[in-house]
Amino acid sequence: AQSVTQPDIHITVSEGASLELRCNYSYGATPYLFWYVQSPGQGLQLLLKYFSGDTLVQGIKGFEAEFKRSQSSFNLRKPSVHWSDAAEYFCAVAVFGNEKLTFGTGTRLTIIP
Amino acid sequence: EAQVTQNPRYLITVTGKKLTVTCSQNMNHEYMSWYRQDPGLGLRQIYYSMNVEVTDKGDVPEGYKVSRKEKRNFPLILESPSPNQTSLYFCASSLAGNSPLHFGNGTRLTVT
Repeated sequence: AQSVTQPDIHITVSEGASLELRCNYSYGATPYLFWYVQSPGQGLQLLLKYFSGDTLVQGIKGFEAEFKRSQSSFNLRKPSVHWSDAAEYFCAVAVFGNEKLTFGTGTRLTIIP
Repeated sequence: EAQVTQNPRYLITVTGKKLTVTCSQNMNHEYMSWYRQDPGLGLRQIYYSMNVEVTDKGDVPEGYKVSRKEKRNFPLILESPSPNQTSLYFCASSLAGNSPLHFGNGTRLTVT
């Protein structure tokens, strides 16, 4: 069965600084990978997804993520964070032929002025 | 506007009193799913449905029921709620099982 690990429970970043949120997955074949964001009191919103092809994917709100098969990772990055990026971020993995999406435990992002 | 609508947003109930959380989507999606979100555990899937009259268990189905009589609706039923079902619940839908999910705004349930 697939699994997802987000090793950082909470990250604090200064506004304008760069950001990288880590995600590692466990699955033998190439998975489908997602990043979702949850703002306070809201449902989750898709930031970006990787199915195949170019391993660097662009998403909404200036986010990008890179799929690295050798490291089983799909880290989320942003060059310069804004105060509105404060939220909880979830990495998720699905596998072809299995209608099950497995979520990581999330990383809470705090932005300081 | 494309959306997934859950009701109610907040619900406080007592142990053993049956309740239903409704979920409706207006995107003609085949796939619908229920998740619960608990601190430190992320989102865990309760049940999912690939199409009308087709439902299957997720990771934590115990104590829950679902039905999919119409494509747009996927209610979550707690026949006899218990305090360990206190949680934040999300309904989601997508075109297919591996497609990006559209989430509702959540239902915060407290069982005393």
